[in-house]
Amino acid sequence: NAGVTQTPKFQVLKTGQSMTLQCAQDMNHEYMSWYRQDPGMGLRLIHYSVGAGITDQGEVPNGYNVSRSTTEDFPLRLLSAAPSQTSVYFCASSYDLTGANNYGYTFGSGTRLTVV
Amino acid sequence: SQELEQSPQSLIVQEGKNLTINCTSSKTLYGLYWYKQKYGEGLIFLMMLQKGGEEKSHEKITAKLDEKKQQSSLHITASQPSHAGIYLCGAEISGGYQKVTFGTGTKLQVIP
Repeated sequence: NAGVTQTPKFQVLKTGQSMTLQCAQDMNHEYMSWYRQDPGMGLRLIHYSVGAGITDQGEVPNGYNVSRSTTEDFPLRLLSAAPSQTSVYFCASSYDLTGANNYGYTFGSGTRLTVV
Repeated sequence: SQELEQSPQSLIVQEGKNLTINCTSSKTLYGLYWYKQKYGEGLIFLMMLQKGGEEKSHEKITAKLDEKKQQSSLHITASQPSHAGIYLCGAEISGGYQKVTFGTGTKLQVIP
């Protein structure tokens, strides 16, 4: 099993450009989420989804859109990139909301995004 | 302010020494997770604690959740260079919407 796959691994954007960060999981997990990781800030939740067709905002949703048309995929869209969105982005999935399957949340390897 | 505080922020230890990392919340923790991250890589799940007073061990790493479920500690015995990385605690703080909040991380370096 591939687990959680994120693409691309690295990306450089110009201010104002848009792009989509892809996230796919093959574990049939219901719960998927996007985090950004910044120095001194830890991981902050951007958006999350509890199942296909259902999404909700996290702690820092502004400037990002998500959709969940299938259980497997949870893309993150940057509408108009800004330098403040330079960060490392992680996608995560879990079988249930509590992670009570004792495997916690499975994370992808991350996407390093630089906006110039 | 950060809902989950980790201490210390960074740690340099000599190989073979023991160390402890703390994760503290002002609110009750509903599920506490410990992850390890190596530079440029994703997070690796270490263990999860849910019950007050619970303690789990994996190889030389032991994690505890205190009785009041507001603090967890991660203890590494006889540290090795392979233990180096960033350790993150994550927790479900508000039982209502069950979103995981993460601490700022503790960077561990182990000197041979």
